[in-house]
Amino acid sequence: SAVISQKPSRDICQRGTSLTIQCQVDSQVTMMFWYRQQPGQSLTLIATANQGSEATYESGFVIDKFPISRPNLTFSTLTVSNMSPEDSSIYLCSGRDGSTNEKLFFGSGTQLSVL
Amino acid sequence: GENVEQHPSTLSVQEGDSAVIKCTYSDSASNYFPWYKQELGKRPQLIIDIRSNVGEKKDQRIAVTLNKTAKHFSLHITETQPEDSAVYFCAAGRGSTLGRLYFGRGTQLTVWP
Repeated sequence: SAVISQKPSRDICQRGTSLTIQCQVDSQVTMMFWYRQQPGQSLTLIATANQGSEATYESGFVIDKFPISRPNLTFSTLTVSNMSPEDSSIYLCSGRDGSTNEKLFFGSGTQLSVL
Repeated sequence: GENVEQHPSTLSVQEGDSAVIKCTYSDSASNYFPWYKQELGKRPQLIIDIRSNVGEKKDQRIAVTLNKTAKHFSLHITETQPEDSAVYFCAAGRGSTLGRLYFGRGTQLTVWP
């Protein structure tokens, strides 16, 4: 399966600040996505990270709040901007694995707590 | 958009018994249905998936069934073991946009020794 590395693994941030999460995948990943998992909840798709162009956001998520970059095939960042306690969640990078018939695999996640 | 419902939210079984988790979906265009297992503090792990051209798929003690007409699919775990204890998520997506998955709310499975 695809190797997906994500950092930081956790962070505690102050209200009003921003945090950038980095995701590195191996070359067999064809597409990258960012998901959010709120405490005790399910996984919700934030956006598709598109290489070299603007990300495609799902309903309820906007670029100003969650800017995403993907400068090349194997790297993406998600920024959580102007954070509030409601942003406290696990943020998961994920990738479609071209070597396993496009199955979706997840990174280890970033546990974000906003005070 | 797609809406995935999952039941039950919690499930307790005795070791060796079977466990069944059921999901329904709303979008008839969905044709890919994976199941993920998430242990506490860990990432979701893909355990089995099924595509709409297949009605059933088995992998050792795990099986998934799909009824496209009724828009529901189920996970069956036989001969459960304590290490099967985890949260299980079903999801639905389209083949053309695999990776954009819509998840159920999860089932906390506890297997008692």
